[in-house]
Amino acid sequence: KNEVEQSPQNLTAQEGEFITINCSYSVGISALHWLQQHPGGGIVSLFMLSSGKKKHGRLIATINIQEKHSSLHITASHPRDSAVYICAAGETSGSRLTFGEGTQLTVNP
Amino acid sequence: NAGVTQTPKFQVLKTGQSMTLQCAQDMNHEYMSWYRQDPGMGLRLIHYSVGAGITDQGEVPNGYNVSRSTTEDFPLRLLSAAPSQTSVYFCASSYSRRHSYNEQFFGPGTRLTVL
Repeated sequence: KNEVEQSPQNLTAQEGEFITINCSYSVGISALHWLQQHPGGGIVSLFMLSSGKKKHGRLIATINIQEKHSSLHITASHPRDSAVYICAAGETSGSRLTFGEGTQLTVNP
Repeated sequence: NAGVTQTPKFQVLKTGQSMTLQCAQDMNHEYMSWYRQDPGMGLRLIHYSVGAGITDQGEVPNGYNVSRSTTEDFPLRLLSAAPSQTSVYFCASSYSRRHSYNEQFFGPGTRLTVL
């Protein structure tokens, strides 16, 4: 069993839909990172969470430390949101992270 | 700032050859890491460094060496390439414990094929 599990593995949505990607972890952590990997392969950091909720534009990330669970929400999804979304659990420094396998999101126009 | 740079972008090696993947960052980050990404397995940590002169092993260190002689550079050496090392390699950097928000910055990746 992976220490960090994401669901779903694949997700197809229509433009405008509300998207939720889930991440559960079994390791002890001080932070949970959400990353986005573009179709070209580049990886960018979206959020780092230690508690509560963060919002950036149409993206919202939440974490429940007691339940060891985090969610990434995308409101009013757009085809440009199509990418692989990856959660990673570990330290706030980001130096030792355990990654989920990623969720492939496709948003159709 | 160039951010995190990696060279080469693509490389083909024969079994047994050695090579060095280069990684550099110009953001004065203390923490640097090397990951490999394989289909169906997600990113896995190979080696990491918390500062110049300090390195440690990650989840899959066998067959790889690293050094951190400067804050900017963190090369990854393949000692004797094997087909199992065919993968996409990412270098990443972040600040340090002194910062409250440690965004990870990733390089563009190196696609390595070992024949």
